[in-house]
Amino acid sequence: GENVEQHPSTLSVQEGDSAVIKCTYSDSASNYFPWYKQELGKGPQLIIDIRSNVGEKKDQRIAVTLNKTAKHFSLHITETQPEDSAVYFCAAERPGANNLFFGTGTRLTVIP
Amino acid sequence: EAGVTQSPTHLIKTRGQQATLRCSPISGHTSVYWYQQALGLGLQFLLWYDEGEERNRGNFPPRFSGRQFPNYSSELNVNALELEDSALYLCASSLPRYGYTFGSGTRLTVV
Repeated sequence: GENVEQHPSTLSVQEGDSAVIKCTYSDSASNYFPWYKQELGKGPQLIIDIRSNVGEKKDQRIAVTLNKTAKHFSLHITETQPEDSAVYFCAAERPGANNLFFGTGTRLTVIP
Repeated sequence: EAGVTQSPTHLIKTRGQQATLRCSPISGHTSVYWYQQALGLGLQFLLWYDEGEERNRGNFPPRFSGRQFPNYSSELNVNALELEDSALYLCASSLPRYGYTFGSGTRLTVV
């Protein structure tokens, strides 16, 4: 099955700085890579996703990049704000499998 | 549009008892997924239901089971509860080939 590794497990940045979270996956057939943000006491919320036919996707301050050859993808948050503080999960899905395999999460803290 | 709803929000059970957790998906979503999130850990895949059928199962013992009803809502049952079953149980729903929408979870505590 798919194995997703995520780094770092914790990340602290100053407000306004950028944050980068990296994930690697093992199954080269995986073709869908979403990112989720989980705030305290809530379920994970989809913030951005990318499919294997593109290398980069942006949505305001958030971007995701995908390197299919190296089997890794990254989340980039620019101009971080305190409300970005949360746990972020990456995930990967193989075609037809219809279930996501999640990374172990990154706790991001934005220091005002 | 109502999101994914889960009930109860909190559940306290004694070791050896059974727990039943419920999930209502977003209207129109046919797939329901269950994940276990132990404290400080990631999301472990439990079960996937689609169109009333169990489609896939994670690496959990048979005492974790569930079902999906004709209205696509779902139930997760955990029998013979053990202390290590204490966790946040998350339900998500989706349309095929789209990202999941998660509920807020049921916090199960086994004492």
